Amino acid sequence: LAKTTQPISMDSYEGQEVNITCSHNNIATNDYITWYQQFPSQGPRFIIQGYKTKVTNEVASLFIPADRKSSTLSLPRVSLSDTAVYYCLVGEPGNNRKLIWGLGTSLAVNP
Amino acid sequence: DSGVTQTPKHLITATGQRVTLRCSPRSGDLSVYWYQQSLDQGLQFLIHYYNGEERAKGNILERFSAQQFPDLHSELNLSSLELGDSALYFCASSGRALSYNEQFFGPGTRLTVL
Repeated sequence: LAKTTQPISMDSYEGQEVNITCSHNNIATNDYITWYQQFPSQGPRFIIQGYKTKVTNEVASLFIPADRKSSTLSLPRVSLSDTAVYYCLVGEPGNNRKLIWGLGTSLAVNP
Repeated sequence: DSGVTQTPKHLITATGQRVTLRCSPRSGDLSVYWYQQSLDQGLQFLIHYYNGEERAKGNILERFSAQQFPDLHSELNLSSLELGDSALYFCASSGRALSYNEQFFGPGTRLTVL
């Protein structure tokens, strides 16, 4: 079964760059890697998605090596409002298309 | 506001009872996903419907069932409720069939089983 592994928690300070890495073995060849952000008692919110190499949008960058067995979410210059849980999402190989969510990384941004 | 609506926001019931959670996807979205989030389990994928048909099934218990209606709204039925079913239940929608497409989450239904 596909499985994702992320750090349980991370601490940072305002203005720093934060990198969160997710390991995912047995990822399907045609699946994308997606990251979501979740604040307490709210539904997750899409941040960024990629297939390979590097993707950048207005809030984050996503780095995916050629073997696609991991991905790194990079948040530049975090602020207090970036304190949240970050999930790495990949699809399970096979026809079931079961979604595999990591347990998430709880990021705490300190002043 | 994601455009996904869920009702009710809160639900308190007793063990052994049956409840129905409702989800209305964003206008035009054909896919609906259901998730369960409890404190010790994280976010668990339950089931995915696309245009009325079951697309993928996750860790959904036999006591739970779901369906997507012709107007694309979806309902999650939970029966023979147990204390451990207390959780936040999220619905998400997306415009396409594939699970990796961006999903828009509703505000959730908080279920408390006493």
